[in-house]
Amino acid sequence: AQSVAQPEDQVNVAEGNPLTVKCTYSVSGNPYLFWYVQYPNRGLQFLLKYITGDNLVKGSYGFEAEFNKSQTSFHLKKPSALVSDSALYFCAVRVRDSSYKLIFGSGTRLLVRP
Amino acid sequence: EAQVTQNPRYLITVTGKKLTVTCSQNMNHEYMSWYRQDPGLGLRQIYYSMNVEVTDKGDVPEGYKVSRKEKRNFPLILESPSPNQTSLYFCASSLTGDRYHEQYFGPGTRLTVT
Repeated sequence: AQSVAQPEDQVNVAEGNPLTVKCTYSVSGNPYLFWYVQYPNRGLQFLLKYITGDNLVKGSYGFEAEFNKSQTSFHLKKPSALVSDSALYFCAVRVRDSSYKLIFGSGTRLLVRP
Repeated sequence: EAQVTQNPRYLITVTGKKLTVTCSQNMNHEYMSWYRQDPGLGLRQIYYSMNVEVTDKGDVPEGYKVSRKEKRNFPLILESPSPNQTSLYFCASSLTGDRYHEQYFGPGTRLTVT
């Protein structure tokens, strides 16, 4: 079965420190990879994506993600966390077929303390 | 402003009372989809549509219906809601084709069925 795993329910970091939110996937072929963020009472906002090419992709709000094909991982990173980064983060994959379906991880709550 | 809108944002109803959640996008997207979000499960796809009059089941379609009579609208219909359909629902849309990948999400509809 195709799946996405976010092993940490919550990640706690201090403001100014680097952050990493982990994501691994198990899907066939070479999927498209995404990160979305959800703020309270809001929909999901697109952060960044990996389609092909450079393994390090940069996205919105200073976030970046590193694709590792051998480990089937796509970890989200930021060099210096802000309190305003506190939110729920979802990793998602889309298989390269005609369905356009996104398979989501269970989400990781990021808490950045002042 | 390019956006996906959903109505209502909040709905409390009783078992068996038919309801419709509307979704509309103003980006001329071909693809539209409905997801439900439940704690610890991430988002799961209910139904999707590749274009007008073309719809298909996602991973959890039981108890739901959809229609796509116009390109911009993709309503979600619960003919006889049950308490296990209490959830947070998101509509999403995107262009189709190899150049377009990310989906744009509406603000969500929180449904409670008593």
